[in-house]
Amino acid sequence: EAQVTQNPRYLITVTGKKLTVTCSQNMNHEYMSWYRQDPGLGLRQIYYSMNVEVTDKGDVPEGYKVSRKEKRNFPLILESPSPNQTSLYFCASRQQGRGEQFFGPGTRLTVL
Amino acid sequence: GESVGLHLPTLSVQEGDNSIINCAYSNSASDYFIWYKQESGKGPQFIIDIRSNMDKRQGQRVTVLLNKTVKHLSLQIAATQPGDSAVYFCAEKLTGAAGNKLTFGGGTRVLVKP
Repeated sequence: EAQVTQNPRYLITVTGKKLTVTCSQNMNHEYMSWYRQDPGLGLRQIYYSMNVEVTDKGDVPEGYKVSRKEKRNFPLILESPSPNQTSLYFCASRQQGRGEQFFGPGTRLTVL
Repeated sequence: GESVGLHLPTLSVQEGDNSIINCAYSNSASDYFIWYKQESGKGPQFIIDIRSNMDKRQGQRVTVLLNKTVKHLSLQIAATQPGDSAVYFCAEKLTGAAGNKLTFGGGTRVLVKP
């Protein structure tokens, strides 16, 4: 089944404790991106990647890092999480040249 | 389920009626538009897309209309069903700009009454 998977689905952590949210897609898509979704603010892009080893900032990159060492994986790293990063996070992928993005199921992160 | 928005505009529709969801987009140069559906606890799911060289596109039970003059996009759902209850987002994209980033609207919640 073609899909985007994220892990973990739910995470409660404390301020300053480094964490990684994994994202993997099995559709051989070149383009991957991370979004956060907050009430009243909709979906905002954090980082995106056009292909392996090619990443760039989205609209709200502060406090986040990403890497793209393999085509299928695009982990989101929070080196020192803060409470304002409490949010619902979505990973997405799409084929280059196509507009349709496929979204993962989401990761609910709470930073205390 | 997950809450995607506490202050979303809400459209209440009787089962079997047609729904019309509206979206005003921001960039007159955007050349591609998508509608997504997000059910509680899930990620957004693609419904239908349209390019700026078209003003109407039809899918299964859905039709998207694009009015570039007033930067307006609408999604029509025919014979709305309980499974259509969700939050609907429009998104716009300008090809070639900033990695072909999608910019999402705030969303509309659709509630289908039996």
